[in-house]
Amino acid sequence: DVKVTQSSRYLVKRTGEKVFLECVQDMDHENMFWYRQDPGLGLRLIYFSYDVKMKEKGDIPEGYSVSREKKERFSLILESASTNQTSMYLCASSLAGTPGANVLTFGAGSRLTVL
Amino acid sequence: GQSLEQPSEVTAVEGAIVQINCTYQTSGFYGLSWYQQHDGGAPTFLSYNGLDGLEETGRFSSFLSRSDSYGYLLLQELQMKDSASYFCASRDSSYKLIFGSGTRLLVRP
Repeated sequence: DVKVTQSSRYLVKRTGEKVFLECVQDMDHENMFWYRQDPGLGLRLIYFSYDVKMKEKGDIPEGYSVSREKKERFSLILESASTNQTSMYLCASSLAGTPGANVLTFGAGSRLTVL
Repeated sequence: GQSLEQPSEVTAVEGAIVQINCTYQTSGFYGLSWYQQHDGGAPTFLSYNGLDGLEETGRFSSFLSRSDSYGYLLLQELQMKDSASYFCASRDSSYKLIFGSGTRLLVRP
């Protein structure tokens, strides 16, 4: 069974803390993504990566960075957490090419609360 | 840039048919996808249209008209378990997949 695993289901952090969200996929997918989901706003793309060490900004990259040192792992980093980063964070992966790149497999999500 | 518009909420009766529309604006277009998300769950892939026309997968069908920048998801023989949020998503020439804000479907008995 294909899987995208996110390291933490729930996190509570304080303003100014550095936060790491980890994501691992076991499908040998080329592409990996980080989205945040807020009520009424759908899924908004933060960053994506199409290869090891490669990254591209999504629509809302401000306040975030990412790291992809290995094909199976994609990390989202909040350098200094703020309350407006309280959200559900979803990691996803996909194959390259068409139609594979249109079929995302999502992890269960990480709900982050910043106090 | 890319943007997708879909209705925020739709209500239908069990056993009925419902259509969820999606209009998109993209700079480059590499297909329209549909995802389902139950409350508390992760989005799961439902359907993909790369070319114009209808794609059928069981009770669900998806349609695309590239000339109209429009697509829809059709759900037939609605069941209570179909109550969920449904998202359309489009991809441009990169691997960037952008989602609409989602349509919440409520199926009533």
